[in-house]
Amino acid sequence: AQKITQTQPGMFVQEKEAVTLDCTYDTSDPSYGLFWYKQPSSGEMIFLIYQGSYDQQNATEGRYSLNFQKARKSANLVISASQLGDSAMYFCAMREGPIQGAQKLVFGQGTRLTINP
Amino acid sequence: NAGVTQTPKFQVLKTGQSMTLQCAQDMNHEYMSWYRQDPGMGLRLIHYSVGAGITDQGEVPNGYNVSRSTTEDFPLRLLSAAPSQTSVYFCASRETGGKRARHNSPLHFGNGTRLTVT
Repeated sequence: AQKITQTQPGMFVQEKEAVTLDCTYDTSDPSYGLFWYKQPSSGEMIFLIYQGSYDQQNATEGRYSLNFQKARKSANLVISASQLGDSAMYFCAMREGPIQGAQKLVFGQGTRLTINP
Repeated sequence: NAGVTQTPKFQVLKTGQSMTLQCAQDMNHEYMSWYRQDPGMGLRLIHYSVGAGITDQGEVPNGYNVSRSTTEDFPLRLLSAAPSQTSVYFCASRETGGKRARHNSPLHFGNGTRLTVT
């Protein structure tokens, strides 16, 4: 079974609009972390934002915020005031494993976001 | 700091050939890992290591070997390349903080190796 599911293979958004990229996860571990990465057409992987399972508030980093709904097991990425440079592939990932042991990151399939001028 | 360095950037192999993808990091990260990226499948973990001398299998380990003789280096070996191994390969490392693991530390990725097996 998929541990990380990104249901939107592609999204098209007008410049300056806000966009929400969906991510749902599956784990029975009470301690976990969720990461979002951006992969532009040049291919590098860029870390955007992190949310821990025990964090009381939703994470924010500049124009990026994470809509964390623990009961629904969802961790959607919200990009406010989208820009042309936001066009890229976006990956959601979950850290699993014991805090003092090996912790692996499992990735979703990705969502390709295209910002239209 | 160079971060995570992968070589080569591109490689073409014939079926049955062997090769090693190199990965080095200069951040003193204990955790290192290899992923492959295929269209529609995201990134899948091949092998990972939590320190020198310690390696373990990820989701798709078959056809690949790794070793970790130093903290800095984590090479990935293809013993007998197959067309199914055509992919983009990423090496990534993260800080684990010694006794106290850094649970929020992100993976730092190399720029990837695009491998084609004909």
